[in-house]
Amino acid sequence: DAGVIQSPRHEVTEMGQEVTLRCKPISGHDYLFWYRQTMMRGLELLIYFNNNVPIDDSGMPEDRFSAKMPNASFSTLKIQPSEPRDSAVYFCASSDRGGPRYEQYFGPGTRLTVT
Amino acid sequence: AQTVTQSQPEMSVQEAETVTLSCTYDTSESNYYLFWYKQPPSRQMILVIRQEAYKQQNATENRFSVNFQKAAKSFSLKISDSQLGDTAMYFCAFMKHNDYKLSFGAGTTVTVRA
Repeated sequence: DAGVIQSPRHEVTEMGQEVTLRCKPISGHDYLFWYRQTMMRGLELLIYFNNNVPIDDSGMPEDRFSAKMPNASFSTLKIQPSEPRDSAVYFCASSDRGGPRYEQYFGPGTRLTVT
Repeated sequence: AQTVTQSQPEMSVQEAETVTLSCTYDTSESNYYLFWYKQPPSRQMILVIRQEAYKQQNATENRFSVNFQKAAKSFSLKISDSQLGDTAMYFCAFMKHNDYKLSFGAGTTVTVRA
């Protein structure tokens, strides 16, 4: 398996622009997570899905952030409009509830820079 | 909400020696899971080791072992025979039973010197 795939790996955009981050989970995994990593706040869970349904979005910072999972193999995290304070590394992770270790498999992350 | 504290921002160790990273957590739950994740310079998050709270025996994965003290809410990671490839940031994480939300500590940067 190719693991969790995220695109793009790097994104540079100007303040006010819309940004869309993409994630393909590991095939067969029924949980998908979006995390944000910053120096100031560390690793934070933004939202997670189970069987394509959002379960907990309490970590989404504000209405400018939205996430969707239209099918089991694809999810997006959208920021509109983007602001410089959104600059961070965004990770997607997936998990299989029936898996042996409750392990979350992380993608390589997307480094977002908003200027 | 669960709080995970890693009190050592940085640690340095000579190759082949042992280093211990500390982690404490705060929870009212009795059943939960604890993890150590490694993040090398490549940025990829990799699970190192996992401990179930209901198990008294400390988990071990090759050169990595934990000291789990449930009453003290302490979960330290020992890296034995340190290798250059162990250089990374290490995160302690907590998960309640039947809840897939991970709460991470701030991380400890480990540098292995040749």
